[in-house]
Amino acid sequence: GENVEQHPSTLSVQEGDSAVIKCTYSDSASNYFPWYKQELGKGPQLIIDIRSNVGEKKDQRIAVTLNKTAKHFSLHITETQPEDSAVYFCAAETGANNLFFGTGTRLTVIP
Amino acid sequence: DAGITQSPRHKVTETGTPVTLRCHQTENHRYMYWYRQDPGHGLRLIHYSYGVKDTDKGEVSDGYSVSRSKTEDFLLTLESATSSQTSVYFCAISGGQGISYEQYFGPGTRLTVT
Repeated sequence: GENVEQHPSTLSVQEGDSAVIKCTYSDSASNYFPWYKQELGKGPQLIIDIRSNVGEKKDQRIAVTLNKTAKHFSLHITETQPEDSAVYFCAAETGANNLFFGTGTRLTVIP
Repeated sequence: DAGITQSPRHKVTETGTPVTLRCHQTENHRYMYWYRQDPGHGLRLIHYSYGVKDTDKGEVSDGYSVSRSKTEDFLLTLESATSSQTSVYFCAISGGQGISYEQYFGPGTRLTVT
């Protein structure tokens, strides 16, 4: 099955700086890559996703890049704000709508 | 939480007892999923459903069964709970408006097996 690795496990940045979270996947058949934000005590919230026919996608302060050749994708958050503090998960979908998740990155934005 | 409710939200039960968790959606999405979330493992798929009475196993299905008799309800049953099934359980849905990939999660159920 698919194996998704996510780094770093924790990340602290100053408010206003950028944050980057990286994931790699093993199954070349994976073709959909969502990112989720999870706040304490809540369910994961889909914040951005990318499909395999696209190399980059942006939505205001967040962007995702995908390198299919290298089998890695990254989440970029610019101009970070305290409310960006949360745990972020990447995932890869291999078919039958089955998502395989990374182990999460705890992002702390220091005011 | 995209019209998804889970019940109960918290449960403490004893080893060996049966437990049923319920997921209810008001979005008429075709697909429903059950995940468990454990420290160091992210979220792992237990079972999923692609229609009424149509279900399949996920990555960590041992010890769990599911049923879906109506589009809006997906039940997860632990026939005989074990301490290793202490976890936070999330339901998710997808397949609305022809977009099948995007999954939306419920608020979760924290289950403790003592």
